[in-house]
Formats: sequence, structure tokens, C-alpha cells
Amino acid sequence: RKEVEQDPGPFNVPEGATVAFNCTYSNSASQSFFWYRQDCRKEPKLLMSVYSSGNEDGRFTAQLNRASQYISLLIRDSKLSDSATYLCVVAHTGTASKLTFGTGTRLQVTL
Amino acid sequence: ETGVTQTPRHLVMGMTNKKSLKCEQHLGHNAMYWYKQSAKKPLELMFVYNFKEQTENNSVPSRFSPECPNSSHLFLHLHTLQPEDSALYLCASSVPGLTLPSSGNTIYFGEGSWLTVV
Repeated sequence: RKEVEQDPGPFNVPEGATVAFNCTYSNSASQSFFWYRQDCRKEPKLLMSVYSSGNEDGRFTAQLNRASQYISLLIRDSKLSDSATYLCVVAHTGTASKLTFGTGTRLQVTL
Repeated sequence: ETGVTQTPRHLVMGMTNKKSLKCEQHLGHNAMYWYKQSAKKPLELMFVYNFKEQTENNSVPSRFSPECPNSSHLFLHLHTLQPEDSALYLCASSVPGLTLPSSGNTIYFGEGSWLTVV
């Protein structure tokens, strides 16, 4: 079983739609959770951290379910510029060197 | 614009060649990383340096040889590579022993070096 699993997609959605991605992780000792965004042929960039209580940043909402070992990312009112690959990232310690990346979920927002 | 700069951006090399990838960070960080990203695979951590000292080698074959002369520069020396080593090689930097999540701090990636081994 992969440490971090994501549906690779692609998710094709029209502008303005709401889309949700899920990610599951296998290590129950995981402590830190993140969503990164990676544009085509670019480097990954931190989108948002995921906190136990859930957190929101504008149109983006992240949720963590420790019991079921999954995290989610919800994007509301999708924009064309949201088209990218979204990487689920988990760390089983508090340090950056222990980040484990998922393969990513590709989102394509269309007119 | 990124605070982590990688050169070259694209590299094609033969299996008998020797080449190097260079990374420079302008963020005042003291931890630097090499990651490998292959098609349809997740990012794989290769090496970690803290204050110029290698603190992690993730079972990387010896045909990849890192060098960290100072906290701002990181190299990846390549020799006798195989076609399956073709990938995107990403350099990253952070505050050493970065504790996550930490407000205002994260791991920053360079734009990557696309390597093709023929």
C-alpha cells in the first residue's frame, strides 16, 4: 500500500464549479498534513497546511479525518487559474525532511 | 520569481557523461534538499543537508554524488547514469529542522532541472 494515495484524475470541471479531492495516508503516526500545488513543468508550492479542526483560505477548504486517515481539499467557484496538479503531503514527524508526497491529482478547469 | 535557482533547467546526457546540477538559494536558509520527480511517481527525497553537513541519504545510488560547499549552494554530480534516471530533479531549502506546520515557514522548491539520459 502506498504511503499517500490520491486519485490521479484528471478532474475536468467547468468554471464556477465546486470540486473536492481526497487523499488517504497509511501511517497512523502522521502528524503534519499539507496540500501543495504544482503547475505543469513547474515546482511544487505550498497551497495550505491542514489542521485537525479544518481550515479555510478563501475558496479553498482543507479537512483532516484522523480516524479514517484521509485529508480533503475543497475548491469552490473554480477558476481557470486553478488548473494544476494538487499534491497531498504528509509528514510523520514535525520535520521537513520527512515529507511524503502523493502522486498528485490533476485538475483542469474549463470555460 | 523563486528564491531557489537551479541550473541548468534542461540537460541531456549520455550514459558515459559526467555532468552536474547546481542549486543556489537566496533565502538565508541552512537546510537544502535534492528531490527526484519521475513521471507518474511521487516526489522522492534523495539527500538532505543541514549547515553543509549531509544528514540524510535516502539509499541513493552512488552514481549520484551531492556536494554542499556552503549553506547557499548545493550540487548534484552525475556520472554513468541510466535511462531510468531521466526525471525532474528538484532542489529545495528550508530553515534547518523545520518544524511543520510553522507559520511563515515552509520548504521552498527551485524550478527544477529536467534531465534526460540517452
